[in-house]
Formats: sequence, C-alpha cells, structure tokens
Amino acid sequence: NAGVTQTPKFRILKIGQSMTLQCTQDMNHNYMYWYRQDPGMGLKLIYYSVGAGITDKGEVPNGYNVSRSTTEDFPLRLELAAPSQTSVYFCASSQDRDASPLHFGNGTRLTVT
Amino acid sequence: AQSVTQPDIHITVSEGASLELRCNYSYGATPYLFWYVQSPGQGLQLLLKYFSGDTLVQGIKGFEAEFKRSQSSFNLRKPSVHWSDAAEYFCAVGAGHSTLTFGKGTMLLVSP
Repeated sequence: NAGVTQTPKFRILKIGQSMTLQCTQDMNHNYMYWYRQDPGMGLKLIYYSVGAGITDKGEVPNGYNVSRSTTEDFPLRLELAAPSQTSVYFCASSQDRDASPLHFGNGTRLTVT
Repeated sequence: AQSVTQPDIHITVSEGASLELRCNYSYGATPYLFWYVQSPGQGLQLLLKYFSGDTLVQGIKGFEAEFKRSQSSFNLRKPSVHWSDAAEYFCAVGAGHSTLTFGKGTMLLVSP
C-alpha cells in the first residue's frame, strides 16, 4: 500500500518564488492535514481538510494556501517563499477526526534562501 | 491553552534496559493523548493512544503508556529497549486531530 505520498522530497527555493507541495493518499480518507516541523519545535498544523471542497486554517496558516478538489489530493501552495518557511513539511490523513491514527507521508524538506 | 511538555530532549539507554519517556500536559478536560515515533527521514507513526477507560494502554512494538490524571502525565514505557527503537518520540494532546498539540520530542539513543 502506498499510503500517503508526498512530492518532492527536497526542494530549494529562492526568496519570492512560489511552489506547490503535492500530497496524495490512496486510503479514501476524508481528513487530511499539512504540518510543518522545525528542529526542536514539534509539529505545527498549517491547514486541514475534512473532505473534498472543505478546508480550514490550523495554527500557522500565514503564507500558505490549500485546496481539496478530490478526496485523494491535498496540495499546499507557497506563493511568495520566505526564509521563515524553511522547514520539513508533512502531509497526513486520517479516517476520522479523532479516533483513528494519523497516517503520515515521508515529508518534503524545503529550504528558502 | 493546551500545552505539552516533554522534559527530556535526549535520552540514552543501554540495549536491553528499560525505558520511560516523560510527557506532561495542560488541558481543560480529559484530552485525547497520543505517542508517535519518527525514524530518520520518515513521517510519524502512531505507537498508542488514550481516549478513555483503562489508564494503562498498550501499543505497538512492546510500548505502553499510563495516563495519570492527578499528575497530568502520559509517560511512555518499554521494559527492554532494542537498538531499532532509536528514534524521536512525540507526545500529543488534543480533542481531535485538528486541535492536536505536539510536544517538542525526545530523541532516544540506544547504546550497545
């Protein structure tokens, strides 16, 4: 089973550039999430979605946008990259809002210089 | 506001020795509690969770955790550590996945 797949694995951006981090899952989960992980800081929720067409902000949404046109895909968009967005980004999905485990992708390491 | 504290940034344990990773939380009611493990270059994997009921919960890979309401703690334990347990461990608390607060993590090193 593929589970949650994230692309790319690594990316270097210049300040002001834009990019989309891709996330797709094959488990038919309604709930999907984007986190960022900074060293020594744990994970912070950026955006989440409870189903196709529905998204909501998490704890740290500024500088990011998301869309959810299908159940499978949940891309994260950075419009004007800033050094503060240098981080490791994880996409996750779950079958329900609380009882089932979060299934994580392997992450995208992004550097903005 | 809810919060999670993992007091130990790094812990080194000898292979075969017992392990306890500490997690303290602040939350207005009884929260959902989770322990996740992250191997290098990987995403997080759920070890165990507590929602209600028996305060001692069993997880995968021989791990267990005990919820102690009076101490606001949810410590993770394993009786005998294996070299493959070396990883980073995260405690998380919340009322659902969209409200989870993760701790800053504890890196477990296993010495031969």
